[in-house]
Amino acid sequence: DSGVTQTPKHLITATGQRVTLRCSPRSGDLSVYWYQQSLDQGLQFLIQYYNGEERAKGNILERFSAQQFPDLHSELNLSSLELGDSALYFCASSVDIGGTQYFGPGTRLLVL
Amino acid sequence: KNEVEQSPQNLTAQEGEFITINCSYSVGISALHWLQQHPGGGIVSLFMLSSGKKKHGRLIATINIQEKHSSLHITASHPRDSAVYICAVDTSGSRLTFGEGTQLTVNP
Repeated sequence: DSGVTQTPKHLITATGQRVTLRCSPRSGDLSVYWYQQSLDQGLQFLIQYYNGEERAKGNILERFSAQQFPDLHSELNLSSLELGDSALYFCASSVDIGGTQYFGPGTRLLVL
Repeated sequence: KNEVEQSPQNLTAQEGEFITINCSYSVGISALHWLQQHPGGGIVSLFMLSSGKKKHGRLIATINIQEKHSSLHITASHPRDSAVYICAVDTSGSRLTFGEGTQLTVNP
C-alpha cells in the first residue's frame, strides 16, 4: 500500500459525459501528479500540482482539467468524454518536486 | 524515435536466472526511475537514480549518465517477479517520460 488513495476504482460512463477522479496523496506529500495509461499510448504524464499550484503540464487535453485543494487532495475532471478516453488514470505523489513518486491504485475508466 | 527505449519488450526466464532489462534515453535528465507494474495494474516505484548504482534486495539498478543508459538487474529471479518493468526519465523535476515497458515472465 503506497499510501496514495484514488476513488473510484472503476468508472463506466457514456460518451459526452463528465466525470471526476479523486486522489489523496500520502500524508506530508506536497506534489501530486496525474498520468493516463491507455493501450495504444502507454503511460503519459498529464499534469502536476505542487502545494496547490499547477507546476507542469503534459499531454492533457483541453477537455480535461485538474486542481489541488488546500488539504492537498486533487481532482481530475474529464468532460465531453470520448471512447478514446477509456484508460487507467493514475495519481502519484511525492514529498517535493522531483522526488520518488508513490502511485495510487488507479481509476479504470471505460467510456461506452 | 521515442525519447526512452527499453529492451527487450518481452522476456521469459526460468526461476533462478539472472535478468537484465535495459533502458536508453536521448534527452538530458535530472533522474531516472524504474517502476514495476503488477498484473492487476498497480505501479510500484523500485528505484530513482541520478548516478551510479542502487541495490534493494535482489534488485540492482545502474545508470551511466554519459552513455544515457540504465540497466535493471534481478538476481535469483522468482515467479513473483513476473510483471511489467517500466523505465521513466525525469527531464525537469516534474514530468516523467516513460518507456514502453518490458513484460517479464519467470517460470517455475
